[in-house]
Amino acid sequence: EVQLVESGGGLVQPGGSLRLSCAASGFTFSSYEMNWVRQAPGKGLEWVSYISSSGSTIYYADSVKGRFTISRDNAKNSLYLQMNSLRAEDTAVYYCARVDDAVVVAAFDYWGQGTLVTVSS
Amino acid sequence: QSALTQPASVSGSPGQSITISCTGTSSDVGSYNLVSWYQQHPGKAPKLMIYEVSKRPSGVSNRFSGSKSGNTASLTISGLQAEDEADYYCCSYAGSSTNWVFGGGTKLTVL
Repeated sequence: EVQLVESGGGLVQPGGSLRLSCAASGFTFSSYEMNWVRQAPGKGLEWVSYISSSGSTIYYADSVKGRFTISRDNAKNSLYLQMNSLRAEDTAVYYCARVDDAVVVAAFDYWGQGTLVTVSS
Repeated sequence: QSALTQPASVSGSPGQSITISCTGTSSDVGSYNLVSWYQQHPGKAPKLMIYEVSKRPSGVSNRFSGSKSGNTASLTISGLQAEDEADYYCCSYAGSSTNWVFGGGTKLTVL
């Protein structure tokens, strides 16, 4: 069974940093592209960042470019999001989501349960 | 990149059919047959319902169908059931610079 479990969320002051993790199981993690998608309270979904299966290709939404860093450790079946210079508008539930381009092209077929990040003083 | 445009809410009675529209631009929906739809119940993670405009993942009911015309994609749910009440989001791939753009979401109420 595919499982994605996020952790690392919490309350942080504006300008602070936080590192999110996503532990993957039930599939060959190193073969899949991964993403972070966020959802502000009561709002819609927003794509945040993408990383290829090898980690060699990375993309960011303009809203987080230069502040967030996505990475992965295929040996540990883990995805990460380092968030620096946090702003109030970064407050959201952050989901990790898998892309399986071999089957469901350019769509997020599995999602974690999310971890809440709150940026407030 | 602006979000795709969806109606804020739609409603229907059990057994009826409803359609949710998703309007983008020639840079996203109009350029790629890579529109996906997600169902989200309150407090839960999104669930993939449709990918590549009209394909259903294994396990998704055939009551859910998708289509696209020009810059507008649509999700149709037939034979509405109480458990279909949820928020629905469309999403389009938009190229390697923008990657993915989501719609603002549509709240489906089953009367």
